[in-house]
Amino acid sequence: DAGITQSPRYKITETGRQVTLMCHQTWSHSYMFWYRQDLGHGLRLIYYSAAADITDKGEVPDGYVVSRSKTENFPLTLESATRSQTSVYFCASRVASNTEAFFGQGTRLTVV
Amino acid sequence: GQSLEQPSEVTAVEGAIVQINCTYQTSGFYGLSWYQQHDGGAPTFLSYNGLDGLEETGRFSSFLSRSDSYGYLLLQELQMKDSASYFCAVRDDRDDKIIFGKGTRLHILP
Repeated sequence: DAGITQSPRYKITETGRQVTLMCHQTWSHSYMFWYRQDLGHGLRLIYYSAAADITDKGEVPDGYVVSRSKTENFPLTLESATRSQTSVYFCASRVASNTEAFFGQGTRLTVV
Repeated sequence: GQSLEQPSEVTAVEGAIVQINCTYQTSGFYGLSWYQQHDGGAPTFLSYNGLDGLEETGRFSSFLSRSDSYGYLLLQELQMKDSASYFCAVRDDRDDKIIFGKGTRLHILP
């Protein structure tokens, strides 16, 4: 299906485990973003990417790793999950020349 | 640093008009966008202002004043389905990232 999809939609993991959240888009948008959403904090940028093999830190990158070997995929890895990383994670993409960002449906991650 | 300030909650009556303000302080500025998010859903794009002035899209309008680092979203003829959170967002012209405000929860009374 066309669009931007995230997987899994829900994930429960234990403290200290590594977990990867997947994001896939079919539009060949150059820009991709990862945000986390927590009550009282809105959407905070974790990492973003302007193109394949180009990634940059956002507002809250600590504890996260990203890669972008292909334009359509932008996985987010929590190297050693902590309870403070319990959140809803949104992936987004946009065309370089445009401002409108398209969001995936989100991944609700719980770290216990 | 970068910051966007918007009210945390606004309440209005069905059929009325409501304005949600956003002030921003950013190192780089390309334009101001607005997004809507219903409970349990993903944010969806509503409007964009790159230049000063008013942009109108149906019942929704958005305004920008670059000199005042200020913008607002105006919702007219409010409907119950407009109950949602609204986020202002800035696109940074230095590195092209998009930073969001904390969001305004809009409550609509019948």
